[in-house]
Amino acid sequence: DAGVTQSPTHLIKTRGQQVTLRCSPISGHKSVSWYQQVLGQGPQFIFQYYEKEERGRGNFPDRFSARQFPNYSSELNVNALLLGDSALYLCASSLIFSGRDHSPLHFGNGTRLTVT
Amino acid sequence: AQRVTQPEKLLSVFKGAPVELKCNYSYSGSPELFWYVQYSRQRLQLLLRHISRESIKGFTADLNKGETSFHLKKPFAQEEDSAMYYCAFQGAQKLVFGQGTRLTINP
Repeated sequence: DAGVTQSPTHLIKTRGQQVTLRCSPISGHKSVSWYQQVLGQGPQFIFQYYEKEERGRGNFPDRFSARQFPNYSSELNVNALLLGDSALYLCASSLIFSGRDHSPLHFGNGTRLTVT
Repeated sequence: AQRVTQPEKLLSVFKGAPVELKCNYSYSGSPELFWYVQYSRQRLQLLLRHISRESIKGFTADLNKGETSFHLKKPFAQEEDSAMYYCAFQGAQKLVFGQGTRLTINP
C-alpha cells in the first residue's frame, strides 16, 4: 500500500531542541498538509503546501516552519521545543489544492513527538 | 469563530442498536462537512462528505443548516463500527476538526 509515509514514527527530544519531521505523499498528490494532534483533541491545522508554495498556515508560532520539495515530499521543522509541543504530528496529502473543491485528505500514521 | 463541537467524547451502544454521533458547527459561510474515522491501528480516513449524500458502511449524515448540525447516524450498529469519529468542515485551505467521539459497540 503506497500510502502517505511519515518518518520517524517516534521521537523524543528535550526542551529547546529542534526537530524535523518528514512526509512522502501518495504518488501523484501535489498537496501536503500538516496537522498537530494533542492527546484527546482533534487534529489542528498547521500548514498546507501545494506545488512547493505555502497556501495556508494555522495559528502556530514562528517556531514552526515547513517546506515542500520538487518531488512533493515535505518537512516540518519545529525550533526551540516546548513541553506543549508533545503531540502526534500528522501529514496528509491530496490530489489538488483544496479550496472549495475538496480533494479528500489521505493521512499518514503520524510521528509521535515527546518533549521532555 | 470557526468551530466544530462534538459533545460526546465517549459513546457506547449495543450491537444492533441505532447510533447517532452528534456534530455542531460554527461557520459564517456555506460549510462543506465531513466525517473522518480512525479504526484501531489504522490511519485517519474519510468516511463521508455531505455533498455526496451517500451512505458509507450504513452511515448517513444530513446537514441541517438551521440547527448547524451534521449528525452521523446508523440504524443498526455493528461491532466493526467501533472507532474514533471526527466531524470536520472545510475552511480556507484547511479542515477544522472536532475533538472526536470514541464509539464502542458492545456485543
